[in-house]
Amino acid sequence: GENVEQHPSTLSVQEGDSAVIKCTYSDSASNYFPWYKQELGKGPQLIIDIRSNVGEKKDQRIAVTLNKTAKHFSLHITETQPEDSAVYFCAARMDSSYKLIFGSGTRLLVRP
Amino acid sequence: DAMVIQNPRYQVTQFGKPVTLSCSQTLNHNVMYWYQQKSSQAPKLLFHYYDKDFNNEADTPDNFQSRRPNTSFCFLDIRSPGLGDAAMYLCATSRARESYDEQFFGPGTRLTVL
Repeated sequence: GENVEQHPSTLSVQEGDSAVIKCTYSDSASNYFPWYKQELGKGPQLIIDIRSNVGEKKDQRIAVTLNKTAKHFSLHITETQPEDSAVYFCAARMDSSYKLIFGSGTRLLVRP
Repeated sequence: DAMVIQNPRYQVTQFGKPVTLSCSQTLNHNVMYWYQQKSSQAPKLLFHYYDKDFNNEADTPDNFQSRRPNTSFCFLDIRSPGLGDAAMYLCATSRARESYDEQFFGPGTRLTVL
């Protein structure tokens, strides 16, 4: 079955710097890759997603890149702000599958 | 605003005492999911309903059951909670089960087992 690995497990950056979180997946049949942000005591919230027919997607300060050949995808946050501090999960889903396979999460701390 | 609502937000139960967690949605989505999330871990899918069709994950213990009386509501029943069942329980919904369908998560219920 599909397996998603996520790195790093924790990331500390200075406010205004960029943050990059990386994920790799094992099954080439995966075609949908969402990123979720989970703040303390809350449920995960979708922040950006990318489909396998796209290499990059950007939404203001957040971007996701996908390398299908290498089977990895990354989340890029520019100009980080303290409110970006949270746990971020990547996930993958295969074509015609209901099941999201989550990475293990990255705890991002943005220092003011 | 359309949303996924979970009640209660915090639930304390005793070892072995049955407990029910509630989820409701105003999105009119066909699919409702229940996840278990333990501290510092990723959410783990327990089961889901596609309309009235119940789909259990292979590794979900029999201690966990679910009911979906109508489109809007879904319940998670834990028949005999053990200490290892203490976790955050997340409800999520999606319009359908296609790979591109976004899953919308509720705020979760944190279950404590004494």
